[in-house]
Amino acid sequence: EAQVTQNPRYLITVTGKKLTVTCSQNMNHEYMSWYRQDPGLGLRQIYYSMNVEVTDKGDVPEGYKVSRKEKRNFPLILESPSPNQTSLYFCASSLFRDRGVDTQYFGPGTRLTVL
Amino acid sequence: GDSVTQMEGPVTLSEEAFLTINCTYTATGYPSLFWYVQYPGEGLQLLLKATKADDKGSNKGFEATYRKETTSFHLEKGSVQVSDSAVYFCARGSQGNLIFGKGTKLSVKP
Repeated sequence: EAQVTQNPRYLITVTGKKLTVTCSQNMNHEYMSWYRQDPGLGLRQIYYSMNVEVTDKGDVPEGYKVSRKEKRNFPLILESPSPNQTSLYFCASSLFRDRGVDTQYFGPGTRLTVL
Repeated sequence: GDSVTQMEGPVTLSEEAFLTINCTYTATGYPSLFWYVQYPGEGLQLLLKATKADDKGSNKGFEATYRKETTSFHLEKGSVQVSDSAVYFCARGSQGNLIFGKGTKLSVKP
């Protein structure tokens, strides 16, 4: 089954404790992206990657890191989480065509709480 | 920069009512346009899309037409059901990503 998986689905942590949220897709998509969803703000892009070893900042990259060492995986790293990073996080993947990003497929989300 | 503006919710309708959710986009280039739906507790799913002017996307009774002259992509459904209760996001393609509207929450009452 074609899918994007994220782990963990729920996480409660404390300020400053490094964490990683994993994302994996089995559709051989070039493009992957991380979003955060906050009430009243919709979805905002954190980072994206157009292929292996190619990453770029989205709209709200501060406090986050990513890596793309393999095509299928795109982990999101919070080196020193803070309470303002409490949010619902989504990973997405897509084929990348000449006109740009095609239909994005989303993971189920990771609800992060930073105390 | 590129942006998408959609009507703010929440929208509350009775079952079998007609639904319109307005969406307009900035007209840079010729983007693909999308509607995504998020059911409670779930991720976003593609509802429909259109890739060029005058295209009509349709799925599950929902429709939206790519209107280049008005830079709009309004979502419509002739008769909503309780199961359509969800948050709906309009989005436009951009070279490096998708740009989303803020979402419109729809509640359908029996």
